[in-house]
Amino acid sequence: KQEVTQIPAALSVPEGENLVLNCSFTDSAIYNLQWFRQDPGKGLTSLLLIQSSQREQTSGRLNASLDKSSGRSTLYIAASQPGDSATYLCAVQPTRTGTYKYIFGTGTRLKVLA
Amino acid sequence: DGGITQSPKYLFRKEGQNVTLSCEQNLNHDAMYWYRQDPGQGLRLIYYSQIVNDFQKGDIAEGYSVSREKKESFPLTVTSAQKNPTAFYLCATTIGVNSPLHFGNGTRLTVT
Repeated sequence: KQEVTQIPAALSVPEGENLVLNCSFTDSAIYNLQWFRQDPGKGLTSLLLIQSSQREQTSGRLNASLDKSSGRSTLYIAASQPGDSATYLCAVQPTRTGTYKYIFGTGTRLKVLA
Repeated sequence: DGGITQSPKYLFRKEGQNVTLSCEQNLNHDAMYWYRQDPGQGLRLIYYSQIVNDFQKGDIAEGYSVSREKKESFPLTVTSAQKNPTAFYLCATTIGVNSPLHFGNGTRLTVT
């Protein structure tokens, strides 16, 4: 059974610091992995999607990498800002359980201090 | 504006009452999902639909029902059989495999 884990559950950093968020999954049979941002009381916003054949994706100050064989992904945030404060979730789309299902991690709550 | 609209934003109900949460999309996406989010837990899949007039149970379907009569709409009914219905409910859509998952802004349901 596919399981997705995000450690740590919470993280506080000073503004301007570069940081890395971690996501691990137990089964490498995936179509893709997505990173999302969730602000309090809101829905999720898709940040980056990495297909299983890709190693990384970049968008602005965000860079996500995927190492399928080791079951790991990282989200790198450069020069963090207070506006980056949110919960970040990762999700995988397994190939074994049906084309359209996603399995989510529990998220890392990030606070960037001004 | 293209997007997903969930309504209402907040919903309060008494125990024993059924309640229906609305999810409407104008993205022309085939697949739609309902997730439940509880504090400290990840999103858990309730139901999903890959095409009109077809839907499948997710991991926690007991006490919930859905319909998919139109491509744009995927309402979720929380029945009195759901033992712990108070939660944040999220609707999502996607155009297909290897495409981003888009979310609405959620409905917070409180049952007392």
